[in-house]
Formats: sequence, structure tokens, C-alpha cells
Amino acid sequence: SQQGEEDPQALSIQEGENATMNCSYKTSINNLQWYRQNSGRGLVHLILIRSNEREKHSGRLRVTLDTSKKSSSLLITASRAADTASYFCATDAPSQGAQKLVFGQGTRLTINP
Amino acid sequence: DGGITQSPKYLFRKEGQNVTLSCEQNLNHDAMYWYRQDPGQGLRLIYYSQIVNDFQKGDIAEGYSVSREKKESFPLTVTSAQKNPTAFYLCASSIFLWTEAFFGQGTRLTVV
Repeated sequence: SQQGEEDPQALSIQEGENATMNCSYKTSINNLQWYRQNSGRGLVHLILIRSNEREKHSGRLRVTLDTSKKSSSLLITASRAADTASYFCATDAPSQGAQKLVFGQGTRLTINP
Repeated sequence: DGGITQSPKYLFRKEGQNVTLSCEQNLNHDAMYWYRQDPGQGLRLIYYSQIVNDFQKGDIAEGYSVSREKKESFPLTVTSAQKNPTAFYLCASSIFLWTEAFFGQGTRLTVV
């Protein structure tokens, strides 16, 4: 099963509202990353948060990390139509005996105008 | 501009053929990766390379091969042994292994 699992799988909100996506993982990590993917395109890196950090901000993005609960959340404030995309969390976690960057299955975010 | 370039954007393969997907970066990154993405799914790691002339199998390497003869280039060959090759293939690079990754725009491979 996936190391990182996003919740919800799909989210649809009105423009201007805040969007929150969650990511849970199973094993200890050094860092957790969030990426955005527009339909049919490559991924774009948003934020990296280290295991000793609890919160990070970048513009309208806020990421929190709770290592005791093995979970992270991505908050997008004042959403815009251009935020419509899939959002993935990725953790550097053991996979088949080696450390790798493992992606979750993503949250599909739709911003309605 | 620095970046990572994948070509072609679309590729069609007949059953039994090998095809090679190109990935070039001018970011001076040591680490490079190939991921496969199926519809509505996350990314699965095929191969990765930490440095020139070195590469390691990822989680789904069977039916694929790579080379890393130059720092800038990490081509992926999808061989006839890959039974279900139709997918979206993404190449990425990073300064160090498993840190912030920069992705190409992907190659969509279809078996016809």
C-alpha cells in the first residue's frame, strides 16, 4: 500500500474559500513534500517540511506536520480557479529495503468560479 | 532557462517494440528519476540515479532499462518485456537524492 495517503480523494469548493488536504503516512520520515500537478502536466514542487518542523508557509500555502500522528495537512487560503489541480504528498520513506521518495495517490482539487 | 525536458510528448508503440523516452536537464543536478503514473493514481518509481554511471531499480523496474552516461541525460527504454506499458511517464531531477524534485512535462506512451 502507499506510504502517503491523501484525504479527501477529491475536493470541490467555491473560489475564495480555503481548501484543506491531508496526508497520512506509515513510517518515520526525514521530510515530507507537497507537489501540484495540473492535468496532463508534470509535477511542481510546493513545499518541503522537515521532521523537526511543525509548520511552514509559502504565500497562500500553509503546511503542518504532526510526526506523532504521522500526518500532514496542506491549506490553500483564498482559493483561485488557477489552483484547480491534483495535489500530492511525498515522503522519503523505506520502500523495498531502500530509502525512496514515495508519493500518495493525490487529492483532486476543483475550484468553482 | 534551466529546466528538465522530456521528449516526445506523445509516443505510440506497437506491441513487441522497444521505445526510448528522452530526459535532459540543465540544472546541474546529480540525481535523476523516472516515475510512471497511471490514470487517477500517484507516481511509482521505475529507476533512479544518484550520480553519473550509477543507477538503481525502483519499485517497478521490470520491463524497463536506463542509462546514465552523462550528468544531463537519463533516457528510459520501455522494452517488449513490459506487459502493460501504456502510461504517463515522468522524469525528474534533484540536487541531492530525494530532495526537492523538478519534473519534466511528461511523455504519454500508448501501445497500439
